[in-house]
Amino acid sequence: SQELEQSPQSLIVQEGKNLTINCTSSKTLYGLYWYKQKYGEGLIFLMMLQKGGEEKSHEKITAKLDEKKQQSSLHITASQPSHAGIYLCGAGGKLIFGQGTELSVKP
Amino acid sequence: GAVVSQHPSRVICKSGTSVKIECRSLDFQATTMFWYRQFPKQSLMLMATSNEGSKATYEQGVEKDKFLINHASLTLSTLTVTSAHPEDSSFYICSARASGDWADTQYFGPGTRLTVL
Repeated sequence: SQELEQSPQSLIVQEGKNLTINCTSSKTLYGLYWYKQKYGEGLIFLMMLQKGGEEKSHEKITAKLDEKKQQSSLHITASQPSHAGIYLCGAGGKLIFGQGTELSVKP
Repeated sequence: GAVVSQHPSRVICKSGTSVKIECRSLDFQATTMFWYRQFPKQSLMLMATSNEGSKATYEQGVEKDKFLINHASLTLSTLTVTSAHPEDSSFYICSARASGDWADTQYFGPGTRLTVL
C-alpha cells in the first residue's frame, strides 16, 4: 500500500520568512492533494497536482509535483500567522495522508 | 468551493450507547463519501468508503459491525458508532466526492469530536 512521508514534522518560522514542506511517496504518484487543517477542525482544500512537473499557486502558497522523485513540495512565501496550521498531503483514489506538518509562524 | 457539513460537532456519551454522526454535502451530489478518524497529534486514518446505494467498504482493522455506515442518498452519509467505549473517543471526519473519479477533489466536513465516558 502507498505511504506518504512528510518532512519536516513540525516547523516554527518567523513571520515573513519562506518555508518548504515536502511529501514523499513510497509509490508512483498519479496525483497529489494538499490540505490545511487547524487543530480540531476539518480540512481545507488547497490544491491538487496531477501531472509531473505541474506547479500551482494560490495566494502565497505554491506546490509542485515531481513524479520521477515521487515527491511534492509546498512552498510558502513571506509567511504570515494566518498560515499556521497542519499541512497534509494526500494521494490515491481513497485518499491516504502523510502524518502532517505542523507549522507555527511567530509574529 | 463545495461545502460538507457534519452533525453534531461534538458529542459526549456514556459507554455502551450508540452515537450517530451525519455527513451532508450541501451544494453538490456526492457519489462517494469517506469516513476518517483522527487521534490527537496524528494524521487522518481512513475507516471506510461508501457509495450511494451500496454497502460501505471498510479498511483493514475497522470493525464493520462496530462502525455502521449508511449512504442512503447522494447528499447524506451516516456513521453510527455502536456500543461505544472510551477507546472510540476520537475526532471523526467525513469527506465527499462528486464522482467516482479518483481525480475529483474530496471536500471535508468540519469533523465531529466524540467523547465516550
